[in-house]
Amino acid sequence: NAGVMQNPRHLVRRRGQEARLRCSPMKGHSHVYWYRQLPEEGLKFMVYLQKENIIDESGMPKERFSAEFPKEGPSILRIQQVVRGDSAAYFCASSPRQGDYEQYFGPGTRLTVT
Amino acid sequence: SQKIEQNSEALNIQEGKTATLTCNYTNYSPAYLQWYRQDPGRGPVFLLLIRENEKEKRKERLKVTFDTTLKQSLFHITASQPADSATYLCALSHGSSNTGKLIFGQGTTLQVKP
Repeated sequence: NAGVMQNPRHLVRRRGQEARLRCSPMKGHSHVYWYRQLPEEGLKFMVYLQKENIIDESGMPKERFSAEFPKEGPSILRIQQVVRGDSAAYFCASSPRQGDYEQYFGPGTRLTVT
Repeated sequence: SQKIEQNSEALNIQEGKTATLTCNYTNYSPAYLQWYRQDPGRGPVFLLLIRENEKEKRKERLKVTFDTTLKQSLFHITASQPADSATYLCALSHGSSNTGKLIFGQGTTLQVKP
């Protein structure tokens, strides 16, 4: 039973390009959370999705960032027109249910903007 | 504003001793609290969850306490081993929304010396 998968593991983008980060949750999990970890900072919540629905996007920057979790396929975090400040590790986590359950994290995607 | 504090300084202890890590929070009433372990370059791994109506939880050499009056959680590793060296993250549920959204502390790095 594979764990949470994220790809790519490392992504380099020039300023102004688009970054697409993918997350496949654990089998049977329909709840996905995205977090961002900036250098020397803690994990910050970005968005919580269930299949085909965004439940809570209170941590998402208002511009350039979007997320989806389609009926089929992985969850996608999309960053348009990247800037240097977007350089960070992006983690996704999945859970079998909403609420007070542990979250299973993927290995992260390390985005570097040059 | 809501705030979570973990000791920012690294904790260095001798193998075999008990490591105690602290998590304090303010302006919060979390329904539950979780502890995660994170190794360099990897995603967090779930360790323990404790709910607001529970005082203490144990799992093998791990013990966590949750004092909602003091707004504090203590995380203990007994008979510590060099393999326990990692960064430990405290995470709180976000208020009463119970969506599973987690607010993380910055983590405390533990170094166990042989």
